[in-house]
Amino acid sequence: EAEVAQSPRYKITEKSQAVAFWCDPISGHATLYWYRQILGQGPELLVQFQDESVVDDSQLPKDRFSAERLKGVDSTLKIQPAELGDSAMYLCASSSERGRANTGELFFGEGSRLTVL
Amino acid sequence: DAKTTQPPSMDCAEGRAANLPCNHSTISGNEYVYWYRQIHSQGPQYIIHGLKNNETNEMASLIITEDRKSSTLILPHATLRDTAVYYCIVRVEAGANNLFFGTGTRLTVIP
Repeated sequence: EAEVAQSPRYKITEKSQAVAFWCDPISGHATLYWYRQILGQGPELLVQFQDESVVDDSQLPKDRFSAERLKGVDSTLKIQPAELGDSAMYLCASSSERGRANTGELFFGEGSRLTVL
Repeated sequence: DAKTTQPPSMDCAEGRAANLPCNHSTISGNEYVYWYRQIHSQGPQYIIHGLKNNETNEMASLIITEDRKSSTLILPHATLRDTAVYYCIVRVEAGANNLFFGTGTRLTVIP
């Protein structure tokens, strides 16, 4: 069964360092999401892509976070510089939804757990 | 999208039915009810969704009240592997809206 791939699975870094996460969605999925999940809370959307275009990045802290999906396939989420409060699970999800043709089913990867010291 | 209210935690005996409630009193006519679950250290997993009719699949059943202000997710024979956080979400199906997860219900299946 096709899966959303994410790496690294775990990342420990010191504050003020740069960190990057990679996501490879299910083949053919047009929509890609990055979520952040703080321990004990539900996932919260950071950025949503439709193909290579950003659909929603209203919750992305743009002073330190950036995301790209250059060819409309895989995606990278970067944090520079990392802060203590960025410690969280970073989840990538994809879906085949495009406009009205969607079921609302998102497929999630296993996530990348970031610890900032 | 309308917001949902779920109990923070529930227990269920292994082999018994687990009934997880969700209130969504402000749901609009074009909003669907979705359920996802998240097993520890994994990403959320889609379970089921519905508009106004009851739905059943291989994982669970979804019962939506006639006024659509609440719903219940039923796991008919809970196993230890069903221990997870269950999220009830309402969402307009046709659109590019993301899912608002909330804090969900932590279900613990007890041997």
